[in-house]
Amino acid sequence: GAVVSQHPSWVICKSGTSVKIECRSLDFQATTMFWYRQFPKQSLMLMATSNEGSKATYEQGVEKDKFLINHASLTLSTLTVTSAHPEDSSFYICSARDFGSYEQYFGPGTRLTVT
Amino acid sequence: AQSVTQLGSHVSVSEGALVLLRCNYSSSVPPYLFWYVQYPNQGLQLLLKYTTGATLVKGINGFEAEFKKSETSFHLTKPSAHMSDAAEYFCAVLDGGTSYGKLTFGQGTILTVHP
Repeated sequence: GAVVSQHPSWVICKSGTSVKIECRSLDFQATTMFWYRQFPKQSLMLMATSNEGSKATYEQGVEKDKFLINHASLTLSTLTVTSAHPEDSSFYICSARDFGSYEQYFGPGTRLTVT
Repeated sequence: AQSVTQLGSHVSVSEGALVLLRCNYSSSVPPYLFWYVQYPNQGLQLLLKYTTGATLVKGINGFEAEFKKSETSFHLTKPSAHMSDAAEYFCAVLDGGTSYGKLTFGQGTILTVHP
């Protein structure tokens, strides 16, 4: 149980284009989802927290207009990187948490490369 | 604010040797503590967690950790390393209070296991 998937697992896009990453909870209802980014050989940095049906809460320093997060259903959250640039290249990981639970379940990650 | 410090970004052991990965935390409230493992280009897998109760917690793959409040530590150990243990390990603390549910990660420790 408690499986989280991400799609795509890797994506290459050209500078200036937008990319959408999906995060799904497969066997539970994810009332809260978290988006992290991880640079090579670094730790995970929380980008934003999203609750189903509400606007996402972004961490300090994260551009909300650049990283659009939508959590429209209890099993799906999306992260859209708009007008991507090479510095946005990173490993993006989502996690999901059920209502009343403290434990987060992590997706397998999405490798984004912007050329 | 909560913080996590992992002493040693790289640890190298021989197969069959003791594994000790160090983690110290700061928290103004009783912490929930976690250890995760990450294999290359993959998400995070939970090894073990401490919430309340017994301070020595056992996890998957033969790992265990001991919560020591007086030392604000949560070190991860395994009596005998296996080649398959080679990966990156992250210690994390769960925020309480108004930011319930946010994980703060340590910098990570890369474990290398030599034959």
